[in-house]
Amino acid sequence: QVQLVQSGAEVKKPGSSVKVSCKASEDTFNRFAISWVRQAPGQGLEWMGVIIPGSGTPTYTQKFQGRITISADESARTAYMEVSRLTPEDTAVFFCVRDRSGLFDYWGQGTLVTVSS
Amino acid sequence: DIQLTQSPSSLSASVGDTVTITCQASHDISHFLSWYQQKPGKPPKLLIYDASNLEIGVPSRFSASGSGTLFSFTISGLQPEDVATFYCQQYAHLPPWTFGQGTKLEIK
Repeated sequence: QVQLVQSGAEVKKPGSSVKVSCKASEDTFNRFAISWVRQAPGQGLEWMGVIIPGSGTPTYTQKFQGRITISADESARTAYMEVSRLTPEDTAVFFCVRDRSGLFDYWGQGTLVTVSS
Repeated sequence: DIQLTQSPSSLSASVGDTVTITCQASHDISHFLSWYQQKPGKPPKLLIYDASNLEIGVPSRFSASGSGTLFSFTISGLQPEDVATFYCQQYAHLPPWTFGQGTKLEIK
């Protein structure tokens, strides 16, 4: 059973950065992509970007291009998503998901990032 | 980007009812559409993939159909535990993958 375990909730100041981690439970990490999905409070789901561990090259949606960095450490079976220049509008739950060519079959538990002065 | 329009945005039904949600794509996405259920405070759960295939372990009261630009999702015999928000999502061609805006289902 695949499990994706994310890092804990964060509280950040506007203008700062946050890095969220996502550790996979088994060795399928290198065979599938990892995507990140954002959900603002009371809002819908928004895909942010994807990385195929091992390929090294992430793809981002245009909205977040230049402000997020997705990376992966194959040896640690862990993916990361860093968001810079945070504003209060970035307050959201961030999910990592196992991405099978766009199909999201396993989800992390979510990480709440609160941006507040 | 491919846009998905879900309707209705919310609905209320009684236990045992049959409810249907539709999802319209702005471009032809063939059968590359999935449906997710999200309960409060939880991550979404994959229910349906490739427009009509039930994920393993998902109750058979959930079904879906469609292709091209118009899709539907149905719950036959609504149960109290089905209270959730449902999302369609497309994964045709290349990223960006996109979601519908969600349908919030409540029990009368």
